Amino acid sequence: EAQVTQNPRYLITVTGKKLTVTCSQNMNHEYMSWYRQDPGLGLRQIYYSMNVEVTDKGDVPEGYKVSRKEKRNFPLILESPSPNQTSLYFCASSVRSPQSNNEQFFGPGTRLTVL
Amino acid sequence: QQPVQSPQAVILREGEDAVINCSSSKALYSVHWYRQKHGEAPVFLMILLKGGEQKGHEKISASFNEKKQQSSLYLTASQLSYSGTYFCGTDQGAQKLVFGQGTRLTINP
Repeated sequence: EAQVTQNPRYLITVTGKKLTVTCSQNMNHEYMSWYRQDPGLGLRQIYYSMNVEVTDKGDVPEGYKVSRKEKRNFPLILESPSPNQTSLYFCASSVRSPQSNNEQFFGPGTRLTVL
Repeated sequence: QQPVQSPQAVILREGEDAVINCSSSKALYSVHWYRQKHGEAPVFLMILLKGGEQKGHEKISASFNEKKQQSSLYLTASQLSYSGTYFCGTDQGAQKLVFGQGTRLTINP
């Protein structure tokens, strides 16, 4: 089944404790992206990747890191989480970038709480 | 620049029609529409391309006026299954989609 998976689905952590949220897709998509969703603000892009070893900042990249060593995986790293990073996070992938008019497939989401 | 969606929320009875608008202050290459049901991930509905091309999905259609930098989503004879939050994602030419804040649609029997 074609899908985007994220782990963990739920995470409660404390300020400053490094964490990684994994994202994997099995559709051989080139483009992958991370979003955070907050009430009243919609979906805001954190980072995106056009292909392996090619990543770039989205609209809200502060406090996050990403890597794209393999085509299928795009982990999101919070080196020192803070309470303002409490949010619902979505990973998404598409065949190519949105400019190629491809639909994005979203993962199930990761609800992160930073105390 | 994040596009502005209106209204922020709308409540309908089953069978009624609704229009959701998406307006941008920047030039747009395309507009993508997604629907998110409560507790789920956003799901793709359609893409609107330059040239005012309309695309349809079930009883949901949309339009894109590139000169006005606006798109509208039309839900005709709404069904209970249409409930959810609708997002427009705008391609502003920077290899990414910029989403609006969402419009929550509630359909009552």
